[in-house]
Amino acid sequence: EAGVAQSPRYKIIEKRQSVAFWCNPISGHATLYWYQQILGQGPKLLIQFQNNGVVDDSQLPKDRFSAERLKGVDSTLKIQPAKLEDSAVYLCASSARTVSYEQYFGPGTRLTVT
Amino acid sequence: AQSVTQPDIHITVSEGASLELRCNYSYGATPYLFWYVQSPGQGLQLLLKYFSGDTLVQGIKGFEAEFKRSQSSFNLRKPSVHWSDAAEYFCAVDSGGGNKLTFGTGTQLKVEL
Repeated sequence: EAGVAQSPRYKIIEKRQSVAFWCNPISGHATLYWYQQILGQGPKLLIQFQNNGVVDDSQLPKDRFSAERLKGVDSTLKIQPAKLEDSAVYLCASSARTVSYEQYFGPGTRLTVT
Repeated sequence: AQSVTQPDIHITVSEGASLELRCNYSYGATPYLFWYVQSPGQGLQLLLKYFSGDTLVQGIKGFEAEFKRSQSSFNLRKPSVHWSDAAEYFCAVDSGGGNKLTFGTGTQLKVEL
């Protein structure tokens, strides 16, 4: 079974630029999550999708961050414009909600904003 | 809001020694509890989880954890550490049952040969 795929793995941008991250969850997983992991901290949930609907985006900075999950499969997280404090690893995870609560994580995208 | 505390930022143990990583949570009811491991450049992998029932849970890679309600703790243990266990370990809670995880700040484990 293929795991959660994310791209790119690394991205360096200047502040005020925009950036997008892509996630492909495990096949058949209805729930998809985006987390932000700042160096030295644990992951923080940004947004949770159930199929293509948003379940929770209470911690997503909506003035600059946006996310979508078209057709209930792949998802894209965008930052526009980026700030220095957005430097972090962005993790995508998916779960088969009706099964075990286990969330399967991708390798993450490391973003550096200069 | 719930919170998770991992008081040890770094821990160093010798290979073959026993290990205990501490985790305390703050929540009124018993949440769902998890331990994840993160190796460099890799995503998080679930080691074990507690939902209810037996308070001692077994996980993968020889890890176990014990839930103690009176102490609001869910400490991770391993009787004999291997060099490949060097990684960062995160405790997490799901207090609402909606699969929304709150993570601790992590404990970095170093294993001396």
